[in-house]
Amino acid sequence: EAAVTQSPRSKVAVTGGKVTLSCHQTNNHDYMYWYRQDTGHGLRLIHYSYVADSTEKGDIPDGYKASRPSQENFSLILELASLSQTAVYFCASSVSAETLYFGSGTRLTVL
Amino acid sequence: GQQVQQSPSSLVLQEGENAELQCNFSSTATQLQWFYQSPGGSLVSLLSNPSGTKHTGRLTSTTVTKERRSSLHISSSQTTDSGTYLCATGYQNFYFGKGTSLTVIP
Repeated sequence: EAAVTQSPRSKVAVTGGKVTLSCHQTNNHDYMYWYRQDTGHGLRLIHYSYVADSTEKGDIPDGYKASRPSQENFSLILELASLSQTAVYFCASSVSAETLYFGSGTRLTVL
Repeated sequence: GQQVQQSPSSLVLQEGENAELQCNFSSTATQLQWFYQSPGGSLVSLLSNPSGTKHTGRLTSTTVTKERRSSLHISSSQTTDSGTYLCATGYQNFYFGKGTSLTVIP
């Protein structure tokens, strides 16, 4: 079973602060994704990557940056956190954009 | 981007009944997956079925690509099946529907 580990599991941040969410996968998958989940919106894609040192914008990239320094690691960075970024964030990985394997999620609250 | 509509939005069943969940999408795609989200929030892939019919355990998925629709049939429902079922489709990017919330009562 593919292993995708997210950290932290939950975080409280202040408005205007910087937040970094981390994701690590141990299965040598080429694709990695960051989604956010909000009530009423379902899962929406923020950024994804199919190779190290390269990231692509998803549907809702504004206010977020992504970094993929290695095959195994993919980070989501909120440079200036805002109230509207309160959500649950999921990282996922896949081989050649096939079956998605999700991490456990990070609950982010921005105050 | 791809639009994914799931129906019904919620469903309540008596244990042992069958469930039929629908997923319609706006354009053809190379991938179609069904996921289960537990009440605690964890997401698990159930089936990957971009076309045709696929079975696993009590689950059967049928995808008709040219009609841009997929269904997930759950037979003999159990209380542990309660949760949200999500459909996702796309190519490289995965677009998700808002899900069907299933409650199975004993």
